Amino acid sequence: GQQLNQSPQSMFIQEGEDVSMNCTSSSIFNTWLWYKQDPGEGPVLLIALYKAGELTSNGRLTAQFGITRKDSFLNISASIPSDVGIYFCAGLAGTYKYIFGTGTRLKVLA
Amino acid sequence: DTEVTQTPKHLVMGMTNKKSLKCEQHMGHRAMYWYKQKAKKPPELMFVYSYEKLSINESVPSRFSPECPNSSLLNLHLHALQPEDSALYLCASSRTRNNEQFFGPGTRLTVL
Repeated sequence: GQQLNQSPQSMFIQEGEDVSMNCTSSSIFNTWLWYKQDPGEGPVLLIALYKAGELTSNGRLTAQFGITRKDSFLNISASIPSDVGIYFCAGLAGTYKYIFGTGTRLKVLA
Repeated sequence: DTEVTQTPKHLVMGMTNKKSLKCEQHMGHRAMYWYKQKAKKPPELMFVYSYEKLSINESVPSRFSPECPNSSLLNLHLHALQPEDSALYLCASSRTRNNEQFFGPGTRLTVL
């Protein structure tokens, strides 16, 4: 079945550093979503992407819809301690159905 | 109101109990979802309701029974669960199909 691979699986970074993560698939998607999830809480929507090549920002976050429609990228600039959490990508796989990536765990060292 | 709310926050139940999880949204969304999430894993889709009708059942065991009483409410009735059903149960909603989904805070379920 369809699968979304996220990279890296986890990362430790220093406060103030920029962060990059990506999500890749063997299938084409028409919509990509990026979520952040804190422990014991529900995922919070960060950015939605609807068009190949689209670049969208939300504060310090920037996400891109890959031109091949098989990947997406999320960048966080000038990381702060509250950026800690798990970041999930999700691709629209069919009517109502989003497939979630495996997640990237981000830890920020103060 | 841009929130999806879920109650209870935590639930502990025995294998012979019957309990219900509740979800509510007042964003006028017409699609609502139940997901199950195990520790360190992504959410897995269980059920989708569209315009109060069940649209998708991802081969979920019958001990989980969803209900959508109206466009704002979604319930998940639980009966005779197994310890492996312990997980975070997430509700989500979207304006219509294929729109972005907004999640509630989840119910942490423990089955003893």
